[in-house]
Amino acid sequence: EVQLLESGGGLVQPGGSLRLSCAASGFIFSRYAVAWVRQAPGEGLEWVASVTGSGDSTYYADSVKGRFTISRDNSKNTLYLQMNSLGAEDTAVYYCAKAAYSSGGYFDYWGQGILVTVSS
Amino acid sequence: EIVLTQSPATLSLSPGERATLSCRASQSVSSYLAWHQQKPGQAPRLLIYDVSNRATGIPARFSGSGSGTDFTLTISSLEPEDFAVYYCQQRSNWPITFGQGTRLEIK
Repeated sequence: EVQLLESGGGLVQPGGSLRLSCAASGFIFSRYAVAWVRQAPGEGLEWVASVTGSGDSTYYADSVKGRFTISRDNSKNTLYLQMNSLGAEDTAVYYCAKAAYSSGGYFDYWGQGILVTVSS
Repeated sequence: EIVLTQSPATLSLSPGERATLSCRASQSVSSYLAWHQQKPGQAPRLLIYDVSNRATGIPARFSGSGSGTDFTLTISSLEPEDFAVYYCQQRSNWPITFGQGTRLEIK
């Protein structure tokens, strides 16, 4: 059974940093791209970033480029999102999502999400 | 960036009725279009991928169709558990984008 478990969320002050983690199990982690997708309160889904199975390629939404860094450790079956220079607009539930292919693709499994609140 | 526009924003129907949800892309996404369902307080769940393929465990009452820029998700006979928000998603080009969602509510 595929499982994705996010951690590391919480309350952070504007301008601060936070690192999210996503522990994956139930599939061969290194064979699939993974991504972060967020959802602001009462809003729709927004793709944030993706990383290929090997970790060689990363992709970012313009809204986070230069502030967020996606990475993965295939030896630990874990995905990360380093978030810097956080602003109120980054307040959201952050979902870890598994893609269907090594290079990307649609999201076939989702974690339960973790809340990040940016506020003073 | 490919913009996905979903219509209607809200659809009010009764159990047993047929639901038709639309997703229009600002440029062709070929067949790289998926649909996700999200219930309140839950993570999204993949329903349909590559326009018309049902994901694992998805009932046959869900079907997808379309090509290029116009796509449809059809629920043939609504069950109580189908009332939720539905999002289309394209993977044709970076950045990946989602539609704004269609809320399917009980009439």
